[in-house]
Amino acid sequence: ETVLTQSPGTLSLSPGERGTLSCRASQSVSGNYLAWYQQKPGQAPRLLIYGASTRATGIPDRFGGSGSETDFTLTISRLEPEDFAVYYCQQYGTLPITFGQGTRLEIK
Amino acid sequence: EVQLVVSGGGLVQPGGSLRLSCVASGLIFSEYKMSWVRQAPGKGLERLAGITGDGAATSYADSVKGRFTISRDNSKSTVYLQLNSLRAEDTAVYYCTTGGLTVISDYWGQGTLVTVSP
Repeated sequence: ETVLTQSPGTLSLSPGERGTLSCRASQSVSGNYLAWYQQKPGQAPRLLIYGASTRATGIPDRFGGSGSETDFTLTISRLEPEDFAVYYCQQYGTLPITFGQGTRLEIK
Repeated sequence: EVQLVVSGGGLVQPGGSLRLSCVASGLIFSEYKMSWVRQAPGKGLERLAGITGDGAATSYADSVKGRFTISRDNSKSTVYLQLNSLRAEDTAVYYCTTGGLTVISDYWGQGTLVTVSP
């Protein structure tokens, strides 16, 4: 099983700042099949990034994904108030499909 | 507009069963792999099961293998999750989503709460 470890667990930043979230895999992610999701309280997850670096439809360009093999990063270039949420990475290239434990992005 | 509407959750006793349904609209259902994902209260996401568009292949997380069964009826644009031998630790919100192996989960249902308690 591919274990995804996200860091930090909680990130405290102010609106306008840059946010950098990390996702490290226990083995190479097949085909760079790595996605990022945003989840707000009481809502289903929302797809942000797939294929490690491709933004999903309608996602603002302040969200960017990068990385390969075992190290991946989600960058939010300039935080907006609506960006404060929990973020999950997911690998969908190898069964079982797995998620990271999440990073909570909170307002400082 | 793509919609996934999930139903079937509720309160069930340990050892009991439930069947969750997810009705899809706005897409050619038979062309989509489908998955079920759950989230225990205050916890992260866990992908439980997946099924191919034609229903020929399924996959399960070890935590539910042998207890949960995923199936689909393409004529009704519906995917199901049969939950048997339920345990307290199965208490969670259950989501259905499009996607599976090598296919992104771009659409999500609203989730249904399953509570396993005496």
